[in-house]
Amino acid sequence: NAGVTQTPKFQVLKTGQSMTLQCAQDMNHNSMYWYRQDPGMGLRLIYYSASEGTTDKGEVPNGYNVSRLNKREFSLRLESAAPSQTSVYFCASREGALSSPLHFGNGTRLTVT
Amino acid sequence: AQKVTQAQTEISVVEKEDVTLDCVYETRDTTYYLFWYKQPPSGELVFLIRRNSFDEQNEISGRYSWNFQKSTSSFNFTITASQVVDSAVYFCALSVTPPQGGSEKLVFGKGTKLTVNP
Repeated sequence: NAGVTQTPKFQVLKTGQSMTLQCAQDMNHNSMYWYRQDPGMGLRLIYYSASEGTTDKGEVPNGYNVSRLNKREFSLRLESAAPSQTSVYFCASREGALSSPLHFGNGTRLTVT
Repeated sequence: AQKVTQAQTEISVVEKEDVTLDCVYETRDTTYYLFWYKQPPSGELVFLIRRNSFDEQNEISGRYSWNFQKSTSSFNFTITASQVVDSAVYFCALSVTPPQGGSEKLVFGKGTKLTVNP
């Protein structure tokens, strides 16, 4: 049971470079999420997708784009990385109902120099 | 607007002490769910418990217990006889449907870092 798989686990970028964080879930969940975690800020929602083909902005979407490629996969793209995007990124999924808990990936630690 | 406040940024206790982590939430919804997650030093986020807005029964699971009080909008988490392995960051979260419809999502508190010393 893989659950939610994120790649890569670590990444170092230079300012202005682009990259895509990959996320896949094998639980047949409808909803998928991208959060970033910064010291003292908790978990902040970047984007989410309630179902295949739909995406919505969260609390901190600027500088990011997402793609819900299919039901399993939800990618996060940084077009032009900035030092302010240095963070730990978590992908998560859940069935979609209010009562469903989130299942998280193990995170991607991104450093932008 | 929905909000979750965990006023305790860091707590440090000695092993075997009891410790309570506070969580206060804000929402105008009548139907909502509250969650607690644990993030140990290894970094993964682990789901601990869920409680719906219509069920105010307290819950106990081993050394863990949760006290949900709608009157004070609180969902506090108590660890009895704490152990070093309980050292982690604990997050409280609120699940609601946005007022204009759309998709439900989770709002997290900023977390409480618990350190249990031997």
